[in-house]
Amino acid sequence: AQSVTQLGSHVSVSEGALVLLRCNYSSSVPPYLFWYVQYPNQGLQLLLKYTSAATLVKGINGFEAEFKKSETSFHLTKPSAHMSDAAEYFCAVSDFKGSYIPTFGRGTSLIVHP
Amino acid sequence: ETGVTQSPTHLIKTRGQQVTLRCSSQSGHNTVSWYQQALGQGPQFIFQYYREEENGRGNFPPRFSGLQFPNYSSELNVNALELDDSALYLCASSLGTGGSNQPQHFGDGTRLSIL
Repeated sequence: AQSVTQLGSHVSVSEGALVLLRCNYSSSVPPYLFWYVQYPNQGLQLLLKYTSAATLVKGINGFEAEFKKSETSFHLTKPSAHMSDAAEYFCAVSDFKGSYIPTFGRGTSLIVHP
Repeated sequence: ETGVTQSPTHLIKTRGQQVTLRCSSQSGHNTVSWYQQALGQGPQFIFQYYREEENGRGNFPPRFSGLQFPNYSSELNVNALELDDSALYLCASSLGTGGSNQPQHFGDGTRLSIL
């Protein structure tokens, strides 16, 4: 069965600092991996997705994530945090079998200090 | 391009009542999925509909049921409401299924509170 673990329920950074949000997954087959962002009182918005092409995936708003099969990780990074990046971030995994039904992690709240 | 819209945005019910939540999928999308997001948690998959047929179901009891209409809009029905049903209910639409890697587009959700 597929599962996702997001390390750290809260991550706090200063504006301009590196953002690193961690995600580890388990899957019996090569997975599809996603990062979504959720702003208060809104639904989820896709940041980026990995679908077995390039291991370094670039997304919107300057975010990127690297798929590391040996570490079963898909960490999200951004070189320089902006105040507008403050939100909840969710990692999701979907096995490539049958329907596309992702399993979400519990989320990491990113706090950006001025 | 019209995005995913959900109604109502907020709803208050009491234990034992029934509720219907509605979702209009993004233009051109034929697959709709419903999720329950409890406070401080990630979304939990309830079920998915593809071309009006249920196409997968998560670990939710039968009192959670759904429909998809020919225009691909969808309803989520919950009977015999319990306090633990209080959550944000998210609808997401996508194009295709059967292993498709197309990402889901989410609505802003319906906040359901059970008193």
